[in-house]
Order: sequence, then C-alpha cells, then structure tokens
Amino acid sequence: DAGVIQSPRHEVTEMGQEVTLRCKPISGHDYLFWYRQTMMRGLELLIYFNNNVPIDDSGMPEDRFSAKMPNASFSTLKIQPSEPRDSAVYFCASKGSSNQPQHFGDGTRLSIL
Amino acid sequence: AQKITQTQPGMFVQEKEAVTLDCTYDTSDPSYGLFWYKQPSSGEMIFLIYQGSYDQQNATEGRYSLNFQKARKSANLVISASQLGDSAMYFCAMREGSTDKLIFGTGTRLQVFP
Repeated sequence: DAGVIQSPRHEVTEMGQEVTLRCKPISGHDYLFWYRQTMMRGLELLIYFNNNVPIDDSGMPEDRFSAKMPNASFSTLKIQPSEPRDSAVYFCASKGSSNQPQHFGDGTRLSIL
Repeated sequence: AQKITQTQPGMFVQEKEAVTLDCTYDTSDPSYGLFWYKQPSSGEMIFLIYQGSYDQQNATEGRYSLNFQKARKSANLVISASQLGDSAMYFCAMREGSTDKLIFGTGTRLQVFP
C-alpha cells in the first residue's frame, strides 16, 4: 500500500518567494495533518482537516501560511511570502478514523535563504 | 505545563539488551491515547505502538511494548533485544479526549552500540 506522499522532498528558495508543499494522503483516510519540525520548537501541529474541511488551524503561525484540501486525495500548504525562519521540515500525516494512529509522509525539508 | 515529558535527551544501549524510554503525560481527561513514533536519521516518522487509556493490558508490537502505569501517568516504551537499526529519535505523543490532535514530547535519541 502506498503511504503518505509528499513533494517536493527538498526545497531551497530565496526569501520572499512563494512556497507550495504538496501532500497525498493514504487512500481512504479521512484526516490529514500538517506539522512543522524544528530543533527549537520540536514537532508542531499547524492545521488538520477532516473530510477535506479544516478543523483546527490554531497552529498556523501567521497569515503568510495557508492550507487547502480541495479533495480527499490532495492537500497543499503554502507560504507567501517565505522568510528564513520558515526553514524547517514539514510533515504531512493522515489517519483513517479517530482512534487510529497517524501515518506520516517522508517530509519536505524547506530552506529559505 | 508540559503535556508530554520525555526526560531523557539521550540513551545508550548495547546490542541485544533491552532499553526503556521514559514518557510521562499530563491530562485531566479520562479518555486519551498514547503513541510512540521512531524517527531514524533519514527523517521519516514511523508509528510504533499505541495505548488507549481504557485498555486493560499493556500494548505490545513485536519487540516493542508499552509499560503503561495510569496512576503515575507514565507510558514508557520498552524495546527488547535492541538492534543497531533501532538507533533513532523516539517520540512519545498523546491525543486527549475527542480531539484528533497529537501533542509530541521533545524526543529521546537512542544509540545502540555493538
């Protein structure tokens, strides 16, 4: 079975540019989560969706960040404009039902110069 | 207050020995779930084991077991017969009540030596 698929694996861009991270959840999973991992702050939940609807976006750091889930098999996390402090590993995860564990993608390592 | 506390930043264990990674949690909700994830140096997050607050028995998955002590609010991960491939960061996480959010601890770096 295919796991959670994230793209790109690595992204290096200059500050001020728009960055779009992509995620394809496991087929049949109703929940999708976006996380950010840094050395300073650890693993933080940014936003999560249930049945394509955003449920909790309280972790989104500021208006420069936005996330969408136009259908059950695709989600994007966009940063515009990007800043060096956005450099981190961004993970997407999905799960089936409420009590099931989240399964993570391989992450996108983002570097903003 | 920290919801999930992992007090061991680093642990060493010899191959084939057992090791316990500590995790304590803080919640007033009677319904919660506890998870352990492994993050090797390659960076992916791998789900290992789950324990529900109402589960009567400690969870086990192969060489992984969870030492769940509800009164102490601890959910320690026990890895038996350590292998070199077990070297990684290990994260404890909690889901409270009806929320689907996971709160992660700061992790423990385990190094297995020959």
